[in-house]
Amino acid sequence: NAGVMQNPRHLVRRRGQEARLRCSPMKGHSHVYWYRQLPEEGLKFMVYLQKENIIDESGMPKERFSAEFPKEGPSILRIQQVVRGDSAAYFCASSPRGGKSSYEQYFGPGTRLTVT
Amino acid sequence: GQQLNQSPQSMFIQEGEDVSMNCTSSSIFNTWLWYKQDPGEGPVLLIALYKAGELTSNGRLTAQFGITRKDSFLNISASIPSDVGIYFCAGQKFAGGGADGLTFGKGTHLIIQP
Repeated sequence: NAGVMQNPRHLVRRRGQEARLRCSPMKGHSHVYWYRQLPEEGLKFMVYLQKENIIDESGMPKERFSAEFPKEGPSILRIQQVVRGDSAAYFCASSPRGGKSSYEQYFGPGTRLTVT
Repeated sequence: GQQLNQSPQSMFIQEGEDVSMNCTSSSIFNTWLWYKQDPGEGPVLLIALYKAGELTSNGRLTAQFGITRKDSFLNISASIPSDVGIYFCAGQKFAGGGADGLTFGKGTHLIIQP
């Protein structure tokens, strides 16, 4: 059973470039969440998506950040015109639909974004 | 925004000792989850708690969901070297009637002294 997959694991971008982070949920999971973790900090919720729908984006910065989870393919977190403050680890989590276990989120290995 | 106060921030223990850490909140959560994170990896789910007062075990780990719904603790018995890592509590509200994003504590660093 493959877990949550994220790629790339490490991404280096210059200021002003775009960063695209990809997440494939666990098999059978239809809910995807994105979190950001700064060094020595806990994870901060960014956005919650189901297939073709953004359910909750209350944690997303208002500008430059967007997320999608298309009908086919992985979920994408997109950061336009990156700045040094965007350097962080970005984690994706997934959960199944329905039942008590839908509240359990399983995390991928993360993408470490470094902006130079 | 929501905040979870997790303590202690770090623990230095001897192998074989028991460990206890806790999380408190100023607001109610409907689910508490405990995760462990190793360097360079994503958090791994250890225990999920769904009901106030619930006590759940997973091997040497035991966690409880506080009666007030505003706190939770995690105990590790007879610690071993592979227990080293950062432990996070996380709460969930499902205000919209379904699952939603987790609110995380800042973590407890567990260090085992030789």
